Amino acid sequence: QKEVEQNSGPLSVPEGAIASLNCTYSDRGSQSFFWYRQYSGKSPELIMFIYSNGDKEDGRFTAQLNKASQYVSLLIRDSQPSDSATYLCALNTGFQKLVFGTGTRLLVSP
Amino acid sequence: EAQVTQNPRYLITVTGKKLTVTCSQNMNHEYMSWYRQDPGLGLRQIYYSMNVEVTDKGDVPEGYKVSRKEKRNFPLILESPSPNQTSLYFCAIGESGGTGELFFGEGSRLTVL
Repeated sequence: QKEVEQNSGPLSVPEGAIASLNCTYSDRGSQSFFWYRQYSGKSPELIMFIYSNGDKEDGRFTAQLNKASQYVSLLIRDSQPSDSATYLCALNTGFQKLVFGTGTRLLVSP
Repeated sequence: EAQVTQNPRYLITVTGKKLTVTCSQNMNHEYMSWYRQDPGLGLRQIYYSMNVEVTDKGDVPEGYKVSRKEKRNFPLILESPSPNQTSLYFCAIGESGGTGELFFGEGSRLTVL
């Protein structure tokens, strides 16, 4: 079993809709979780991180963490075509090492 | 402006020809690491460095070397490149004692023929 699992997608949503991206992980000891966005051919850029159970909101983005069920999700409200990218889930396994999922490709259609 | 600079950005080389990919940062971060990204496999850590003169293997270190002689630079060395090292390479930095997030360089696309 991979440490971080993501559906590869693509996840297609219309402009203005809510996009929901999910990630499950196997290491119960993981303390902090990250969402990165990666445009094709570009480097990953950090969207947000979360380390407490519950929701964390930042603008149109909301990260949700449920440690008991070992999943973390990212909601994107009012999705825009510019949100079309691959979204990478990552967790910190210690010593600042991030383990990444393979990413979910999001397509937002106008 | 925070910067992580990698060179070269693109390189096509041949099997066995030693090459170095440089990584330089202007953020004074202690932690630096190298990842490679391959389709279907995602980002995998090659090597990391907690500070000057302190380096350690990541998940896929075979065929690579690194050095950390000064804080701002962390070069990745391929002594004898092989085609299975064709990949997109990212240098990433982080602040020790921070929340653990990493900031990535622009990437270096390497093709080994």
